[in-house]
Amino acid sequence: KAGVTQTPRYLIKTRGQQVTLSCSPISGHRSVSWYQQTPGQGLQFLFEYFSETQRNKGNFPGRFSGRQFSNSRSEMNVSTLELGDSALYLCASSLIGQTTYNEQFFGPGTRLTVL
Amino acid sequence: GENVEQHPSTLSVQEGDSAVIKCTYSDSASNYFPWYKQELGKRPQLIIDIRSNVGEKKDQRIAVTLNKTAKHFSLHITETQPEDSAVYFCVESGTSYGKLTFGQGTILTVHP
Repeated sequence: KAGVTQTPRYLIKTRGQQVTLSCSPISGHRSVSWYQQTPGQGLQFLFEYFSETQRNKGNFPGRFSGRQFSNSRSEMNVSTLELGDSALYLCASSLIGQTTYNEQFFGPGTRLTVL
Repeated sequence: GENVEQHPSTLSVQEGDSAVIKCTYSDSASNYFPWYKQELGKRPQLIIDIRSNVGEKKDQRIAVTLNKTAKHFSLHITETQPEDSAVYFCVESGTSYGKLTFGQGTILTVHP
């Protein structure tokens, strides 16, 4: 089975712009979670989608949003980019999503740099 | 909400030595505790996990212990090898679906 894939792998934007990142989960996985990884804050949960519905959201401003499509692929969007949004954005998929016990499989991440 | 404290932040050992990483979590309702390893420039990968109904789990050179009363869990790596060098994250999966709360990470360096 192919692993979790993310596109693009690298992105450079300027302040004020918006960006859309894409995540394709492992085939059959219906839960997709997004995380932000920075040297200062570590790995922080952004939100999680299951069956096209956002079930959980972390403590990030409303500029961060996401969605999930019927084929379980997910996108996240960041509007009005700030310098502090520079980070590695990781998505992770899991099989069932109806318990809290499922292993999450991570994608390679999208490295976003905001200038 | 969930919060995980992880220590130490860096750990340097000689090849063949043991390494221990300790974590404390806050949500007493948490019931699943995975450990992820992230090599430089790579994605985090699950190396072992433990559920709340088990006190200890072992997989070859890696073991994890859980003390639910004290809200502590630990990772033990024996006979370390240079390829064990990476960042290790302890993780708490609380009662929110799809949400993992990560510790700050431990940079493990194994010297040949």
